[in-house]
Amino acid sequence: SYVLTQPPSLSVAPGQTAKISCGENNIGTQSVHWYQQRPGQAPVLVVYDDRHRPPGISERFSGSNSGNTATLTIRGVEAGDEADYYCQVWDSSTDQRVFGTGTQVTVL
Amino acid sequence: QIHLVESGGGLVKPGGSLRLSCAASGFPFSDYYVSWIRQAPGKGLEWLSYISRTSTTIKYADSVKGRFTVSRDNAKKSVSLQMNSLRVEDTAIYYCARDIWTDETNYFDYWGQGTLVTVSS
Repeated sequence: SYVLTQPPSLSVAPGQTAKISCGENNIGTQSVHWYQQRPGQAPVLVVYDDRHRPPGISERFSGSNSGNTATLTIRGVEAGDEADYYCQVWDSSTDQRVFGTGTQVTVL
Repeated sequence: QIHLVESGGGLVKPGGSLRLSCAASGFPFSDYYVSWIRQAPGKGLEWLSYISRTSTTIKYADSVKGRFTVSRDNAKKSVSLQMNSLRVEDTAIYYCARDIWTDETNYFDYWGQGTLVTVSS
């Protein structure tokens, strides 16, 4: 079964770029989705199918996926981007949904 | 607008039962899968279960298989999660989410605000 490994935390200065990784063997063969969870709120989908943004999500959010690592990139980080971020895939071998371990992004 | 609203959370003793509900509005409910996901205090997201459009297919995470049962009523646009044999470690916020399923992947495009379940003596 999948174990999606993310860095526990990441600090970034306003205006800089944050890159959040999601690692698993051959994850590049899967579709990866990303969620943002601000403190005290429900998660929000920010990227689906590796690189697509839902309506209303800022163009500053982008995704990529290749080899053993999927990446969520946040350009021009703002204070409002401070949140926990989770990757997610579908495990075809078990037909279960799997979340990554989560990354807490702090804006300095 | 699309809304999902959970209800039914509360305090329950270990070994007890609780039934959560998820009421949907703003979209053709019977066209979509629904999943339950939880988040223990200070922890990450854990997927628990999904139910297909006509309840034909239901899956559970190993952590709740045999204890939790999901069902839906398309006429009432609602999904329920029956939780039995509750343990202290089931303490969490429980979310329902619209589950976008294709033949090759799934993702959750709308989430409810969650309902808190506390299992404690």
